[in-house]
Amino acid sequence: QVQLVESGGGVVKPGGSLRLSCVASGFTFTDGYMSWIRQAPGKGLEWFADISSSGRTIYYADSVKGRFTISRDNAKKSVDLEMNSLRVEDTAVYYCASRSLGYVAYWGQGTMVTVSS
Amino acid sequence: HSALTQPASMSGSPGQSITISCTGTNSDVGNYNLVSWYQQHPGKAPRFIIYEINKRPSGVSDRFSGSKSGNTASLTISGLQPEDEADYHCCSYAGGGTLVFGGGTRLTVL
Repeated sequence: QVQLVESGGGVVKPGGSLRLSCVASGFTFTDGYMSWIRQAPGKGLEWFADISSSGRTIYYADSVKGRFTISRDNAKKSVDLEMNSLRVEDTAVYYCASRSLGYVAYWGQGTMVTVSS
Repeated sequence: HSALTQPASMSGSPGQSITISCTGTNSDVGNYNLVSWYQQHPGKAPRFIIYEINKRPSGVSDRFSGSKSGNTASLTISGLQPEDEADYHCCSYAGGGTLVFGGGTRLTVL
């Protein structure tokens, strides 16, 4: 069955950096876009980064542009998220997801990132 | 894009039907037939239950249905069951590769 397994979450101070990883299995990894979506405690979902199957097309939400970098390795069936200049408001559960144009079909279990001094 | 607007909470009794609204703008919900809905139980990842306004993925109960009128999309759950108690999130394509979600609706089955 489809599995997306995230890792790399933790506690970091404001201004710090963290790298999240996601490994996929159970579907054709190169078929479509991969996304990162987050959910702050008690809040709704926020899409913020996408990468195309080739890695050549990348989209970011304004809230993370210039601070976060998404990348993928099709040979390893993995997608990474490098997060720099972290802010308190980046505290959230981060989900790796497989996306078609208008919907997110598969979700990982999420990894918690806490930004706190 | 601002988040789509959903009621924060709703409730219903077993067997009843409820409809959750999701209001956007003519830059997202009103401009694309690409509205999706997700069910999320506490502490769990979201699960997608509706895509392209009113299509159900394989394995999703036909008690869940979707619709759209103008800038507002809706999710209707008929014959409420205790296991439907969850958070429900709407989502719309917003152009330029971006997605925008609603704030989520907490559904309580009384």
